[in-house]
Amino acid sequence: GAGVSQSPRYKVAKRGQDVALRCDPISGHVSLFWYQQALGQGPEFLTYFQNEAQLDKSGLPSDRFFAERPEGSVSTLKIQRTQKEDSAVYLCASSSGGERQYFGPGTRLTVT
Amino acid sequence: RKEVEQDPGPFNVPEGATVAFNCTYSNSASQSFFWYRQDCRKEPKLLMSVYSSGNEDGRFTAQLNRASQYISLLIRDSKLSDSATYLCVVNRKTGANNLFFGTGTRLTVIP
Repeated sequence: GAGVSQSPRYKVAKRGQDVALRCDPISGHVSLFWYQQALGQGPEFLTYFQNEAQLDKSGLPSDRFFAERPEGSVSTLKIQRTQKEDSAVYLCASSSGGERQYFGPGTRLTVT
Repeated sequence: RKEVEQDPGPFNVPEGATVAFNCTYSNSASQSFFWYRQDCRKEPKLLMSVYSSGNEDGRFTAQLNRASQYISLLIRDSKLSDSATYLCVVNRKTGANNLFFGTGTRLTVIP
């Protein structure tokens, strides 16, 4: 069956531009997570949704980062006024509520 | 201090060798433990869960020592296809139920 998909796979933005990253979780998965993976590092938690409710956003690095999941399926991570330090791979993961999380291929964001 | 600490390597080993990775975690409330594998420019994929009694999956053996807050992964008879980054992962199973990742240990198996 279809796994987690993310788009775009690659995004180049000029500093100061806004970007929107999309995640399509596995159908029926209630839990959705966003992680940020900098070069040479492990993924770091950004935010978590259970259905449409954003239950934890403690990992978002600044108020320039915003995530939503209005209908409890597709989620969008938006970064306003991008900075060079935002360059990273943004990974989305979904879960049926158990421990196992299934990761999408990620969006590689480069801010120039 | 990071939640999960790993030696980043790299580990370069010949085919057929046995290699061991270790990691430590700082939060004693952590409840679930995993090893994930991540190939270059790919997403992390679950390799195996780690249980207190130790568990084995083919050539892979994982161990957990809760008292020392220490997790290990042993790979026997290394194959070229084992070349990847191995991520040590813990879950507190509270709040968001999110995963905490180590930086990963890079393994290259050499012919």
